[in-house]
Amino acid sequence: DVKVTQSSRYLVKRTGEKVFLECVQDMDHENMFWYRQDPGLGLRLIYFSYDVKMKEKGDIPEGYSVSREKKERFSLILESASTNQTSMYLCASSLQLTGELFFGEGSRLTVL
Amino acid sequence: AQTVTQSQPEMSVQEAETVTLSCTYDTSESDYYLFWYKQPPSRQMILVIRQEAYKQQNATENRFSVNFQKAAKSFSLKISDSQLGDAAMYFCAYRSIQGGKLIFGQGTELSVKP
Repeated sequence: DVKVTQSSRYLVKRTGEKVFLECVQDMDHENMFWYRQDPGLGLRLIYFSYDVKMKEKGDIPEGYSVSREKKERFSLILESASTNQTSMYLCASSLQLTGELFFGEGSRLTVL
Repeated sequence: AQTVTQSQPEMSVQEAETVTLSCTYDTSESDYYLFWYKQPPSRQMILVIRQEAYKQQNATENRFSVNFQKAAKSFSLKISDSQLGDAAMYFCAYRSIQGGKLIFGQGTELSVKP
């Protein structure tokens, strides 16, 4: 089975802190994604990557950056956390761009 | 730009009964994929069912089936013989034939009453 692991299930950070959310997949998938999930808004794409060191902006990239130095790992970075970034963050991977997405369990971030 | 709309924020069904979750979408593309994903409480999202737009036959997976109306841009999910384990948030999603990002609806929270 595909396993997508997000490093932290729950985080509490202060405004202005730098936040790293890590995601690792174990199935050699080419594509990895970071989504943000908010009630009533569904999931919105922040960034995705279709290869090592490659990244594409999604619908809401402002305030975020990403890093993909190794195929299995895709990191989401909040350079200076703000309260409006309090949310659930979901990482996903897929073998092909048209393939099924496999999701991690999510990281719930609270910014105080 | 493509959009996906789920107009039912919450639904409830009695155990063993049938429930239908609604989804509409907007696109100018003729070929695409549609999905239903399930997110159980505090657990990861999993794929329930997938439909290719070029296929006229509605997809089915055990107790889960879809009613795909391409002209109406409607993609509803029917859950038959509902079980307590079906309680979850359900998301409808769209993806272009070229691939790339999934576009999600707002979600429908389904509760199952024993």
